[in-house]
Amino acid sequence: GENVEQHPSTLSVQEGDSAVIKCTYSDSASNYFPWYKQELGKRPQLIIDIRSNVGEKKDQRIAVTLNKTAKHFSLHITETQPEDSAVYFCAASVRTYKYIFGTGTRLKVLA
Amino acid sequence: EPEVTQTPSHQVTQMGQEVILHCVPISNHLYFYWYRQILGQKVEFLVSFYNNEISEKSEIFDDQFSVERPDGSNFTLKIRSTKLEDSAMYFCASSPLRGNQPQHFGDGTRLSIL
Repeated sequence: GENVEQHPSTLSVQEGDSAVIKCTYSDSASNYFPWYKQELGKRPQLIIDIRSNVGEKKDQRIAVTLNKTAKHFSLHITETQPEDSAVYFCAASVRTYKYIFGTGTRLKVLA
Repeated sequence: EPEVTQTPSHQVTQMGQEVILHCVPISNHLYFYWYRQILGQKVEFLVSFYNNEISEKSEIFDDQFSVERPDGSNFTLKIRSTKLEDSAMYFCASSPLRGNQPQHFGDGTRLSIL
């Protein structure tokens, strides 16, 4: 069935270091991969997305890479700041455009 | 920037009672979704809606659930006879066009079943 695995479940980094979160999807028909940031009690907010015809996308300190062959995609945050602390969810969009979300990564940036 | 709005922010209901969650999607969006998130867990797809009918629904979306677009702006989720396990945060989302587009989420309704 449709599934997205996400690792790690928690990640602690020192301020200024980089953070990498990895996801693997099962449905090879998936062709759109958004990443959402969710602060405690708040809505998921889109931070970056990538389509299957692109291997990498960057927006300031955030980048996403996609390996369609391996069905892997990753979020990279450089120069982390305390305000980056949140739960991050990857998702894969399948045929009817519903999102299958990963299990989330709780990122803590230590000052 | 336009937002998806959801009301109420928190709903407390006795088990067995009906509850209706309200959403106003972004005005020019055509696709609407409901997701739920049990505390501490991932966001789960419930149902997608387009052109006044359900496009797809998950296993969670059983006969106790229904969705409706009663007018040109509102999109509602009804749970007919609530169970304790329905306690969760319910998010409404919308996207503008057919095809893979970013979905914009509302702030959610926290549903607590007693």
